Amino acid sequence: GAGVSQSPSNKVTEKGKDVELRCDPISGHTALYWYRQSLGQGLEFLIYFQGNSAPDKSGLPSDRFSAERTGGSVSTLTIQRTQQEDSAVYLCASSSGWGPKETQYFGPGTRLLVL
Amino acid sequence: GENVEQHPSTLSVQEGDSAVIKCTYSDSASNYFPWYKQELGKGPQLIIDIRSNVGEKKDQRIAVTLNKTAKHFSLHITETQPEDSAVYFCAASTIGSGGSNYKLTFGKGTLLTVNP
Repeated sequence: GAGVSQSPSNKVTEKGKDVELRCDPISGHTALYWYRQSLGQGLEFLIYFQGNSAPDKSGLPSDRFSAERTGGSVSTLTIQRTQQEDSAVYLCASSSGWGPKETQYFGPGTRLLVL
Repeated sequence: GENVEQHPSTLSVQEGDSAVIKCTYSDSASNYFPWYKQELGKGPQLIIDIRSNVGEKKDQRIAVTLNKTAKHFSLHITETQPEDSAVYFCAASTIGSGGSNYKLTFGKGTLLTVNP
């Protein structure tokens, strides 16, 4: 079956512009996560969705970052007024449940470059 | 919060040799430890995981060991092949700030190169 998909695969933008990144989780997966992968920093947790609600936003680095999920499926991560330090790979993952031992399946990521 | 340390950052082995990657974690409440393999330009793919009620798990050439007392876990790859070359990440599952969700805290990764 289809895995997690993300779009666009690559995005180049100018400093100060807003960008939207999309994640389409595995069908039926109720939990959705966003992570950021920066050079030399590994993967950093950003936000978690259970259904349409986001009980854990603790990883969002600033108020320029926001995310939403509609219909318990597709999620959009929005970065406003992008800065060069926002350049990174943004990864989305989904799991069938929210428990501590649920396997998270990752998408291919969106590579964001802010000039 | 949880802190996961991973070593080494780079590892180069000859084809057929074994490779070992080690991770330590800080939160004794963590009880799920997955390993991901990431190839260039792709997202991380789960290769094996271990839950805290077992000490070792094997899947063909890959094995993971867990020592909860010492709070460390390791990935062992035997009979390495060039296609094993990738970045490997360990992770620990910890409770999130929502109080009911769990999130993965990752190590910084190990670049494994298997030389033919």
